[in-house]
Order: sequence, then C-alpha cells, then structure tokens
Amino acid sequence: TQLLEQSPQFLSIQEGENLTVYCNSSSVFSSLQWYRQEPGEGPVLLVTVVTGGEVKKLKRLTFQFGDARKDSSLHITAAQPGDTGLYLCAGPGIYGGSQGNLIFGKGTKLSVKP
Amino acid sequence: NAGVTQTPKFQVLKTGQSMTLQCAQDMNHNSMYWYRQDPGMGLRLIYYSASEGTTDKGEVPNGYNVSRLNKREFSLRLESAAPSQTSVYFCASRVLPGQTPYEQYFGPGTRLTVT
Repeated sequence: TQLLEQSPQFLSIQEGENLTVYCNSSSVFSSLQWYRQEPGEGPVLLVTVVTGGEVKKLKRLTFQFGDARKDSSLHITAAQPGDTGLYLCAGPGIYGGSQGNLIFGKGTKLSVKP
Repeated sequence: NAGVTQTPKFQVLKTGQSMTLQCAQDMNHNSMYWYRQDPGMGLRLIYYSASEGTTDKGEVPNGYNVSRLNKREFSLRLESAAPSQTSVYFCASRVLPGQTPYEQYFGPGTRLTVT
C-alpha cells in the first residue's frame, strides 16, 4: 500500500522564522505535488516535482524532490502569517494511477503568529 | 471562469435521510473526483470519473453513489446518511491530458453533518 507520511503534524512558529516540513514514503513516486489548504477552502496546488533531486522555488517557498523519488520537503524562509494553513503532499495512487488519482498525506498544519 | 463549484456549502441531515452533492467544472477537464476529508485522516478518494460516461470506486466508496451527468458535472449521492458520513466533501477535476499529469483543482467543499 502506498502511503505518504508528513511531519511534523503541527507547527506553530513566529513570523520571520524558517521552517521545513517533510513528506516521506517507502514507495517510489513518478511525481509529487504540494498543496496548501486554508480554513474553509479546498486545497490549492503549489507545485509539482517530477525529477529526482529537483528543486523548485516559489517566492519564499523551496520544494525539493528526493534523489530516489521517495520523499520531498518544503522549506519556508521568513514565514509570514499569510503562510498559515494546511500543507498537503500528494502523489499518483494505486486507484487507477494512470488516470491521475492521487493519494494524500495527512498534512502539516502550520500556524504563523505575528 | 469559476473553476470547480460545489453546492451546497453546508448541510445537516438526520440519520437515514438522502441527499445529493453537486459539483461542476468549467475548465473542460476530462476527469473528476470526490474526496472526503476527516480530522487526522487526510483526503480520501470516494469515487472518480476518468472521463464522461465512466465511474469507478476509490478508497472509501461504501454508502455512496455517483453520477457523471455530462463532462461538466459529477454528483455524489448519499442514499441513507449515517453519522460516520459526517465530513467535509471535496470535488476535484484534473487538467487536460497532455499537460503536467495528476494536478487537480478543488472546489470549496461541502460541510456535511449527519445527526
């Protein structure tokens, strides 16, 4: 069974701090995605990483895909209150993976205090 | 361009009642999905429709049925609601074939409580 495990589950930090959240699996994924979900809203795609070792930057967010394509990390530099939300990683799953079904990690709930 | 829309936004049902959650997308996507999100459980796939005219079970299909009405619309039906179906339900659709694979666009969710 493919599983994506995210850590930490909860993270509460002050504005301006740096943080890293992790997404790990024992399975190889052809790609991984990161979504952010704000309270009362649906998840919104942040990035897709496809190549082992790939690094993508989105303003203060840096995403890395592990060399073996089994893990990914999200690093936020100088966090701001607007970064508050639930961060989810996702990858193609066993339910008809060729049709684009995703399995999701349980998420990291980030709170950035002013 | 509204993206993915869901109705209703909130619903309270009594055990045994039935209801249909509606979802529509205006992005000309082929594939559509229904998920439920529960605290500590993440997002779990209920049913999906890879293309118009086809539907398949996901991870947690029991107690639900779906209809892919046309390319735009995908509905989820609870025939006899149970308290275990209290959850937040999300509909999603997938980008066009040929573009980056597996990225999905989500609606705002339906918050369902079954008493």
